Amino acid sequence: EVQLVESGGGLVQPGGSLRLSCAASGFTFSSYWVTWVRQAPGKGLEWVASVSADGSDKRYVDSVKGRFTISRDNAKNSLYLQMNSLRAEDSAMYYCVRLITGTIAMEVWGQGTTVTVSS
Amino acid sequence: QSALTQPASVSGSPGQSITISCTGTSSDVGGYNYVSWYQQHPGKAPKLMIYAVSNRPSGVSNRFSGSKSGNTASLTISGLQAEDEADYYCSSFKTSSHVIFGGGTKLTVL
Repeated sequence: EVQLVESGGGLVQPGGSLRLSCAASGFTFSSYWVTWVRQAPGKGLEWVASVSADGSDKRYVDSVKGRFTISRDNAKNSLYLQMNSLRAEDSAMYYCVRLITGTIAMEVWGQGTTVTVSS
Repeated sequence: QSALTQPASVSGSPGQSITISCTGTSSDVGGYNYVSWYQQHPGKAPKLMIYAVSNRPSGVSNRFSGSKSGNTASLTISGLQAEDEADYYCSSFKTSSHVIFGGGTKLTVL
């Protein structure tokens, strides 16, 4: 079964750091672009960052540039999101998502992990 | 980065057809055939319903169809069913970033 499982969410103070992880299984992880998408409570979806299959190409939404870093370890079938200098507006459910090859269509979604930034 | 524009809500009766629009610019919707649509039920992860403007993933009902004209993409749901009640989001590739989403549309089945 194709599956993505996120972990690492939690409560953190403003200015703090958190590292999200996503474990992939059931497919050849190293063949796909993967993405983080977030959704604040009661709000819409927001694309956060994407990384190419080999990890060489990384893209970020403007609001997280310089604060968040997306990375992957294909040997461990894992995707990561290092989040620094966290702000209240970063509070959201964070989804790990696999893209359809050659498109930006988000085909496989994890169940999400919740990040809360609050003092 | 401004979101793509979707109506906040649409509604229809069972059996009817509804259309949700998604308006962008020539830098996103109008410039690329990379529009996708997602369905999200409360408390659940989104589900891909349409990709590359008009393609349905395996397992998605053929009651769902997509199209595009200029800077506006559309999702049409025919033969509306109670289970279609959900939030719907469009997305597109965008020059200078990567992906942009619409603000979302709440579909109510009357």
